[in-house]
Amino acid sequence: NAGVTQTPKFRVLKTGQSMTLLCAQDMNHEYMYWYRQDPGMGLRLIHYSVGEGTTAKGEVPDGYNVSRLKKQNFLLGLESAAPSQTSVYFCASSEETSGGARGLDTQYFGPGTRLTVL
Amino acid sequence: AQSVAQPEDQVNVAEGNPLTVKCTYSVSGNPYLFWYVQYPNRGLQFLLKYITGDNLVKGSYGFEAEFNKSQTSFHLKKPSALVSDSALYFCAVRDAFYNQGGKLIFGQGTELSVKP
Repeated sequence: NAGVTQTPKFRVLKTGQSMTLLCAQDMNHEYMYWYRQDPGMGLRLIHYSVGEGTTAKGEVPDGYNVSRLKKQNFLLGLESAAPSQTSVYFCASSEETSGGARGLDTQYFGPGTRLTVL
Repeated sequence: AQSVAQPEDQVNVAEGNPLTVKCTYSVSGNPYLFWYVQYPNRGLQFLLKYITGDNLVKGSYGFEAEFNKSQTSFHLKKPSALVSDSALYFCAVRDAFYNQGGKLIFGQGTELSVKP
């Protein structure tokens, strides 16, 4: 059971280049999330998905797109990278909690992708 | 708006002493509160959560946290710190009425340093 995996681990881009970060989970979780972590700012939610084929914006969605074509995968795309997108990106997943209050289950995080945009 | 604050950027503790990492929150409804830990160059790991019930929540690695509704706090504690507890700790909150998946709001993190 690998949990949540992310590829690549490191990447350096030039301004204007594009790339896709891949997140995969083998826990059959419904919910998946993309966060970015910047010094002194904690983690901020970029986009999330509550199931296959669905995506939604988080706190800082601008400049990013996502897709959830398969339940186990959640892709984060940067169409035209900017230096402000230099960050560490974390993917996470969680089960769907039944009952009235959804999404309260533990989020499991991947090891992160360190992205530098020059 | 939901928010969570960790007032200390860094906490220094001697090994064997008790430790406290502070967290305060602001939500419109009932809070659901979480603590995560991040070791260097690793992803976040879940420590514990408060959903309802007893105000004292016990979690992994001997950590516990006390929910205080009147003070809107959820401080992380451990009776006897270990050098291996040195890491970055994040408090997170979710509003019970915020029905958009499992969206969490994270604090900025507190660096815990435990010296031998």
